[in-house]
Parts: sequence; structure tokens; C-alpha cells
Amino acid sequence: GDSVTQTEGPVTLSEGTSLTVNCSYETKQYPTLFWYVQYPGEGPQLLFKVPKANEKGSNRGFEATYNKEATSFHLQKASVQESDSAVYYCALATNSAGNKLTFGIGTRVLVRP
Amino acid sequence: EAAVTQSPRNKVAVTGGKVTLSCNQTNNHNNMYWYRQDTGHGLRLIHYSYGAGSTEKGDIPDGYKASRPSQENFSLILELATPSQTSVYFCASGDGGARDQDTQYFGPGTRLLVL
Repeated sequence: GDSVTQTEGPVTLSEGTSLTVNCSYETKQYPTLFWYVQYPGEGPQLLFKVPKANEKGSNRGFEATYNKEATSFHLQKASVQESDSAVYYCALATNSAGNKLTFGIGTRVLVRP
Repeated sequence: EAAVTQSPRNKVAVTGGKVTLSCNQTNNHNNMYWYRQDTGHGLRLIHYSYGAGSTEKGDIPDGYKASRPSQENFSLILELATPSQTSVYFCASGDGGARDQDTQYFGPGTRLLVL
């Protein structure tokens, strides 16, 4: 079946530094890729999604490129803020699975002031 | 603004008891989902629904039932709760985009402790 592997957390970094959260996926289909973010005490919310290979998604200074050859979708941000502290989930959906999402285990990111 | 609410927000249950978790959405979305969230596993799909009267098994349905009596409401039922079902449960509604591009909107979660 489909699977998503992402950086194990927690990832701790200082404000103003760069963030990369790695995400790799396995599927025999042609997926749409998602990044969701979960702030403390809340449910996950969509950060952005990318349905097409070689395209980039972005939101709130975060970005990720759908790399079909490498089966990767790494999340990056050039300069993090304390408010970026959250759990980040990489996920995929395939046409054959309908609207079901397959999530990675989540990566907790802690940004220190 | 999308709105998915869950009740109760916290629940303590006894082993063997029946637990019902409720979810309400005001988005008028056809699709609804129940997930559980556990450390080391991320979010795993329990049951989902494509509309009132329909329920489908997700990836980990054993020990759970679901009910979708209306467009707005989707319940998760634990007939005989066990300690292994201690978890945080999230409900979501989906905007029904293309089959692989459904954006899901999550509720705030229900924390369930089974003693």
C-alpha cells in the first residue's frame, strides 16, 4: 500500500534559522501531495497541496517541490519564527484511493526565541 | 469559515463500556472522516463517509463503528471500549474536490482515556 516517511522529531532550532523536514513517499499511483500543520491544542490544517509533479507549493513562507523522480516532497522555510512551533504532517492521496489521505508520523518542530 | 466541532473534548471511559464521539460540520461537505492520533503512528483513518447514510471502513476499523445520520453529523462508536483505544480522535470534513485533491478540515479533537 501507500506509505509516507518523514523526518523523525523533535526538530529544535532557533528563530531566524532555516528548516527542512524531509518527506519521502511510496505509491504505485500518481499522487497528490500535502503538507498539514498542527498547532498545540488544535486539529491539523492544510498548509498547501501540490497535485502535479515538478510543481511547487507554498504558504506562510513554507514551500515544497513535488519531485516525482526522487519520490520526495521536502518542506522548507528559510527563516523560522517561534510561532512556527508545531507538528508537520506530510500526506498523499491517490485517485484509486478516492479522497483518503495517507499520513506520515508527523514531525514536531520546536523553535526557540 | 470552515467549522468542524467535536464533543466531548475529553472523555474518561471504563473498559467494556460504550463510548460515542460526535462530530458536527457546518461546511455542507459530503465527505467526513474519523482518525486517531498516536505517537509514532501519526494520523490513521478509522472510518469515513461520502454522505448521509453511508459509512466506509478505513485502515483501522476494528473495534469501531460509525454512523452518518445527516450531512452535518458523523459519530464514532466504541461498543466495548478497551485501554488500547486510549487516544486522541479527530473528525474531518472534506470539500469533495477531485478524487485525489480533497482538502480536509479538522475538528479540535477528542481526548479519550479508557481505564
